[in-house]
Amino acid sequence: QKEVEQNSGPLSVPEGAIASLNCTYSDRGSQSFFWYRQYSGKSPELIMSIYSNGDKEDGRFTAQLNKASQYVSLLIRDSQPSDSATYLCAVTLSSNTGKLIFGQGTTLQVKP
Amino acid sequence: DGGITQSPKYLFRKEGQNVTLSCEQNLNHDAMYWYRQDPGQGLRLIYYSQIVNDFQKGDIAEGYSVSREKKESFPLTVTSAQKNPTAFYLCASTGTGRHQPQHFGDGTRLSIL
Repeated sequence: QKEVEQNSGPLSVPEGAIASLNCTYSDRGSQSFFWYRQYSGKSPELIMSIYSNGDKEDGRFTAQLNKASQYVSLLIRDSQPSDSATYLCAVTLSSNTGKLIFGQGTTLQVKP
Repeated sequence: DGGITQSPKYLFRKEGQNVTLSCEQNLNHDAMYWYRQDPGQGLRLIYYSQIVNDFQKGDIAEGYSVSREKKESFPLTVTSAQKNPTAFYLCASTGTGRHQPQHFGDGTRLSIL
């Protein structure tokens, strides 16, 4: 079982729709959860972080965390073509080494 | 501005050659990391260092070496023992304390000649 799993996609949504990206993780003791956006040929850019169960909103982005289900998601409202990228879910290990475990990423395509 | 600088942006390696990728940060971060990314894949950890003069192997350390002589610098050497070095290499750093994210440099793309 992979430590962090994401659907590789591509996930295709029309412009203006809500895009929903999902991630599951295996380490029940994980404490910190991050979403990175990576454009083709570029390095990952942090867009959201979440540490407590529930929702965290930042502009058009909402991160949702459910530790009991070991599930974290990212919602992008009013999706724009500029949101087309690969979204990486990253999770810290409960061993607190500072290491992040990354999922393989979900490719999002927003069609005009 | 504070950030992480990786150089060069593109690098070509000949057979049997060692090459060194540079990573410098001015964020005063203690921990630094090296990742490898292959096309369509996630990030795999090569080496990481949580403090000067100390570093640990990640998941794919074979064929790579690192040093951490200064807090600001964490160079990665891709040795001739790494038979498939073509990849996108990313350096990251993070501060101390709980819930600290990693911040990335712009990456180095390494290819074999």
